[in-house]
Amino acid sequence: QVQLQESGPGLVKPSETLSLTCTVSGASISNFCWTWIRQPAEKGLEWIGHICPSGNTNYIPSLKSRVTLSVDTPNNQFSLQVRSVTAADTAIYYCARDVTAFDYWGQGTLVTVSS
Amino acid sequence: DIVLTQTPLSLSVIPGQPASISCKSSQSLLNSGGKTYLYWYLQKPGQSPQLLIYEVSNRFSGVPDRFSGSGSGTDFTLKIGRVEAEDVGIYYCMQGMGVPRTFGQGTNVEF
Repeated sequence: QVQLQESGPGLVKPSETLSLTCTVSGASISNFCWTWIRQPAEKGLEWIGHICPSGNTNYIPSLKSRVTLSVDTPNNQFSLQVRSVTAADTAIYYCARDVTAFDYWGQGTLVTVSS
Repeated sequence: DIVLTQTPLSLSVIPGQPASISCKSSQSLLNSGGKTYLYWYLQKPGQSPQLLIYEVSNRFSGVPDRFSGSGSGTDFTLKIGRVEAEDVGIYYCMQGMGVPRTFGQGTNVEF
């Protein structure tokens, strides 16, 4: 069974960098694409970007200048960094396996941007 | 970006009765290889979204057969044959045809 678990700070100060890690079990990170999605409180889902085995990445244009995705193959993890955060980046962040469908999701982690 | 428009945004259902949600895309989701990249997810209260339907009409593993998807090109429908209590939540369509991936606004299904 494929399982994903997000981890990282729940509180980030404005202008700093949000960093999250997704740990994958039950599937090799080298064999699939992996994606991040976020959901502000009481709002819909927003795709952030994905990273594929080739190292190819794609990002939503509105975040492209502030976002980096990376993969840690030995630890079967992938990570998200969002730089220069503001209150608008406050959301639940989900990681998911990306087989074009997002077939397995993490439980999500709430990140609040506040001083 | 591909825009997905769901209707209705809110749906009050009666247990045991059918329900239907529409998703219209601003562009065709049919690719040159013949696949149509339209997906349906359900986000139950307090949970992460779960995949229900992939490529228009294929139920994901473990999804009950009361859920069915149909449509082509730009117009798609999710149907619940007989709604059960565990089906309440927000339903989202999503397109995988282009980058960025985009979701519909969500349809809140409640009793």
